[in-house]
Amino acid sequence: NAGVMQNPRHLVRRRGQEARLRCSPMKGHSHVYWYRQLPEEGLKFMVYLQKENIIDESGMPKERFSAEFPKEGPSILRIQQVVRGDSAAYFCASPPAGGFSGNTIYFGEGSWLTVV
Amino acid sequence: RKEVEQDPGPFNVPEGATVAFNCTYSNSASQSFFWYRQDCRKEPKLLMSVYSSGNEDGRFTAQLNRASQYISLLIRDSKLSDSATYLCVVSSSNTGKLIFGQGTTLQVKP
Repeated sequence: NAGVMQNPRHLVRRRGQEARLRCSPMKGHSHVYWYRQLPEEGLKFMVYLQKENIIDESGMPKERFSAEFPKEGPSILRIQQVVRGDSAAYFCASPPAGGFSGNTIYFGEGSWLTVV
Repeated sequence: RKEVEQDPGPFNVPEGATVAFNCTYSNSASQSFFWYRQDCRKEPKLLMSVYSSGNEDGRFTAQLNRASQYISLLIRDSKLSDSATYLCVVSSSNTGKLIFGQGTTLQVKP
């Protein structure tokens, strides 16, 4: 996973609670992507962030979901008032130093959210 | 229509078999193409990039046909350890935003 760190790895929330997922890219890297993988489906792009800036949020649901990447600390994906349909694996990814060059991005190990 | 389409399978093959996966994409402006491998409850990992000239890495061969908007992956001499889900991935932007297919599941049996 090239040093992309995500936590928690597993999170259980009751319907209506809030979920916060954290991602730290490789040291010195300032861009992160968030992807969601629903059961039996492929990964879906959610948002692309630079420190203190949202570059592309075209995949974010219109309500309850937000993401930030502050100047200090990890990127946070926040889901308010979770519902059962939010149960999924949430992956964070980071491009190599210098940005995406048409080669690859590196994924963290994922955070598995279960809403009960 | 999905942006990237794959046959979900599963493909059940014996050890030593050759298996081919196909994928089509809808955006003709797509610029970068990849195959990723994903094991159960793990993150996707890059298997190989795909080029129009075709590229080979050991037992794995990938091919891109831009005219048909078609990507393929060939696995020769299948091993038990090849059992996984193979994700066809396309990027049409210079920001690294990736579009994933649903994945094709391969199960290699002894």
